[in-house]
Amino acid sequence: QQQVKQSPQSLIVQKGGISIINCAYENTAFDYFPWYQQFPGKGPALLIAIRPDVSEKKEGRFTISFNKSAKQFSLHIMDSQPGDSATYFCAASVGDTGRRALTFGSGTRLQVQP
Amino acid sequence: EAGVAQSPRYKIIEKRQSVAFWCNPISGHATLYWYQQILGQGPKLLIQFQNNGVVDDSQLPKDRFSAERLKGVDSTLKIQPAKLEDSAVYLCASKKTGGYGNTIYFGEGSWLTVV
Repeated sequence: QQQVKQSPQSLIVQKGGISIINCAYENTAFDYFPWYQQFPGKGPALLIAIRPDVSEKKEGRFTISFNKSAKQFSLHIMDSQPGDSATYFCAASVGDTGRRALTFGSGTRLQVQP
Repeated sequence: EAGVAQSPRYKIIEKRQSVAFWCNPISGHATLYWYQQILGQGPKLLIQFQNNGVVDDSQLPKDRFSAERLKGVDSTLKIQPAKLEDSAVYLCASKKTGGYGNTIYFGEGSWLTVV
């Protein structure tokens, strides 16, 4: 199975709050889990990524939590800001170097209210 | 470093017409992808090239879609004849070869509306 399931579909958070987006995968061969951020009219851009040999990775206000046994991973945005308002996609990949491609979740539209 | 360039940015065509999209990846990136993003959904891989060879085109509707990457640099994605359900953003992306954590960089996309 190549599917990656993402929730919620949309999220409204107050400025300064914590935004949490969840993803679940089925293919246990996936070995790279990035999160992409997409603003309207732009292409997705890499935000943060994790490998399954660690349970958490933090970069600034963004943290990925990874639960290998549950086949789930999540994105936490601390101190959410209006500038974080965007669509967030989780993704996963597997394969040899030259064959690796991303399988995306369905996306979460985040709105941070001032 | 210049990003992934795509053109045209916007295109409106009638069903059964044809359209072509062009992509210039980041210099030195051997891997090139075309993704289709329907409004409200995540991007879906259509085709992946390694240099000028096709790595994966299993999700490309080959009866109407075709893609090529001559000389291992620029790529063209063509749709002929277009259907209403082809209305989407077509994203080109590229990646260096080597290392499974290498970032995949996306262009801004080509927006297609089929009427």
